[in-house]
Amino acid sequence: SAVISQKPSRDICQRGTSLTIQCQVDSQVTMMFWYRQQPGQSLTLIATANQGSEATYESGFVIDKFPISRPNLTFSTLTVSNMSPEDSSIYLCSVEPWEGRGTQYFGPGTRLLVL
Amino acid sequence: QKEVEQNSGPLSVPEGAIASLNCTYSDRVSQSFFWYRQYSGKSPELIMSIYSNGDKEDGRFTAQLNKASQYVSLLIRDSQPSDSATYLCALQDQGGSEKLVFGKGTKLTVNP
Repeated sequence: SAVISQKPSRDICQRGTSLTIQCQVDSQVTMMFWYRQQPGQSLTLIATANQGSEATYESGFVIDKFPISRPNLTFSTLTVSNMSPEDSSIYLCSVEPWEGRGTQYFGPGTRLLVL
Repeated sequence: QKEVEQNSGPLSVPEGAIASLNCTYSDRVSQSFFWYRQYSGKSPELIMSIYSNGDKEDGRFTAQLNKASQYVSLLIRDSQPSDSATYLCALQDQGGSEKLVFGKGTKLTVNP
């Protein structure tokens, strides 16, 4: 399985500001995804990060609010823009390796609190 | 809209018992199914994947898939207190997006 790191691991931010979360994998992967998990809830997919092109967003998520970059096969960023307290959540990066058959591995997550 | 249904629990079993976690899904086309374990405050960890009808065993864990009934389950034999966690069922969207669709999870408590 891939080794995935995320930065920062947690942050406390003021409303109206933006935070960029980084996801780094130790090997090249086909697919990278960004999820949100609110307290006591299951995982909600925000978008699929596509290498070299615009991310594919799920219903209810837009590029202006959650811009995503994926410059290569091992790295992606998610920005949470113009934050409000409702954005307080855990943000998770996941990857599907080349041989994955749909298998995804998750990073440790970024715990975000917006005041 | 593909849906994955799980009993949210909590499911409580004594140490040493068999814990049975169940999941039903709405999409007949799905071919890939996964069970993840999530400890409180941690990220999901893959336990099992299953692609064919029948049983797949890995140590104390057995995944069972019945595509005709649109049902997938996870059995944990000789349950340990360290198995106490939330278990998430997921299937892969076969519509070309590669994304996983997750259930809401079942919280399992194994009592010493």
